[in-house]
Amino acid sequence: GAVVSQHPSWVICKSGTSVKIECRSLDFQATTMFWYRQFPKQSLMLMATSNEGSKATYEQGVEKDKFLINHASLTLSTLTVTSAHPEDSSFYICSALIRTSGSYNEQFFGPGTRLTVL
Amino acid sequence: AQKITQTQPGMFVQEKEAVTLDCTYDTSDPSYGLFWYKQPSSGEMIFLIYQGSYDQQNATEGRYSLNFQKARKSANLVISASQLGDSAMYFCAMRERARNFNKFYFGSGTKLNVKP
Repeated sequence: GAVVSQHPSWVICKSGTSVKIECRSLDFQATTMFWYRQFPKQSLMLMATSNEGSKATYEQGVEKDKFLINHASLTLSTLTVTSAHPEDSSFYICSALIRTSGSYNEQFFGPGTRLTVL
Repeated sequence: AQKITQTQPGMFVQEKEAVTLDCTYDTSDPSYGLFWYKQPSSGEMIFLIYQGSYDQQNATEGRYSLNFQKARKSANLVISASQLGDSAMYFCAMRERARNFNKFYFGSGTKLNVKP
């Protein structure tokens, strides 16, 4: 199946710094990517939908200025956590959407990025 | 209301036995898709099986089958002949046509432990 990569796989940073996470679709073009956040032992929470060439659509309660999303190309979306604080520590997962010829769109997930803010 | 409900936070099963993970959903959209994902401790979401709302037959993929009961709005995952490697978190998810099939709703997950 299609492959989605994320970089870095884990990152530790100091409070107040900004962290950029990359999500790449390796062998296909993805006009739509999604960013999820997952707290320990909890489900995935959709943060935003990233569309190539346009502004991201954020879910209710997600701060746009805190979580900057850029989808500059058909294979790359980035999530920047600005001025990170310990409460931003979480597991961030991206996914990319492929429009298949079947009855549903296929969504491929990246391996996730574990962010720890000290 | 919760779109996806998984009522079993944790399950134990003996190796080689079958196990059913429950999932109920809530939608008024006649066209939707139901998914099951496995998330091992490494964190990666692994697609297991898909069921479309108009599919007449229950989906099957190897040892995985989906018990789709549309009237009851349930989409339980059945894993046959459990293996130690099946120990993981399992998430049920749904997409609706009303949202262009783009937004996933995830359940809270079930942690499955397979005992040797």
